[in-house]
Amino acid sequence: QVQLVQSGAEVKKPGASVKVSCKASGYSLTRYAMQWVRQAPGQRLEWMGWINAGNGNTKYSQKFQGRVTITRDTSASTAYMELSSLRSEDTAVYYCARDDPTTVTRHFDYWGQGTLVTVSS
Amino acid sequence: SYELTQPPSVSVSPGQTASITCSGDKLGNKYACWYQQKPGQSPLLVIYQDTKRPSGIPERFSGSNSGNTATLTISGTQAMDEADYYCQAWDSSTVVFGGGTKLTVL
Repeated sequence: QVQLVQSGAEVKKPGASVKVSCKASGYSLTRYAMQWVRQAPGQRLEWMGWINAGNGNTKYSQKFQGRVTITRDTSASTAYMELSSLRSEDTAVYYCARDDPTTVTRHFDYWGQGTLVTVSS
Repeated sequence: SYELTQPPSVSVSPGQTASITCSGDKLGNKYACWYQQKPGQSPLLVIYQDTKRPSGIPERFSGSNSGNTATLTISGTQAMDEADYYCQAWDSSTVVFGGGTKLTVL
């Protein structure tokens, strides 16, 4: 069965970077895209960007452009999201989610369990 | 940038029909999907391609999309349906989420 298992919670200081991993199982990573979405406490879902795990192409939200980097390691069936220059407003649960880039109806059919990133001095 | 607007909250009595709207410019020309999120859980896809239900989603969940509005309808609402619901669409290769609607079953 399809599973996305994310890395554990992180506590970071302002100005630092965080790298969250998302290990895929039950399907071929390279046949799909991986999306990254975050949710601050009590707030809405916020899209960050995605990677076509087949060819490595990425697209980022303008809000995070320059601060976020999404990569993948096909040999490890794992996608990564790195966010730099962290500030307190980046405290949130970060989710990865699978998406089929070959369809016109793109939607996120499987989600990771979420990774809480806390930014605090 | 493209925006999707949802009502912050909707209330419904058990067994009744709940309708949650999602508005965006010419949204009917795009595909809309819906996610359910319960406290402390990851979002769950309940409707995709405007009207389709993933395997395992009860038939009481349905969707429509026309003009500027997509609608999620829950018929015979149950207490277990109490959750936040988010619409989502694509615009120019970017993902857009609505602000979310808290569905209360009382």
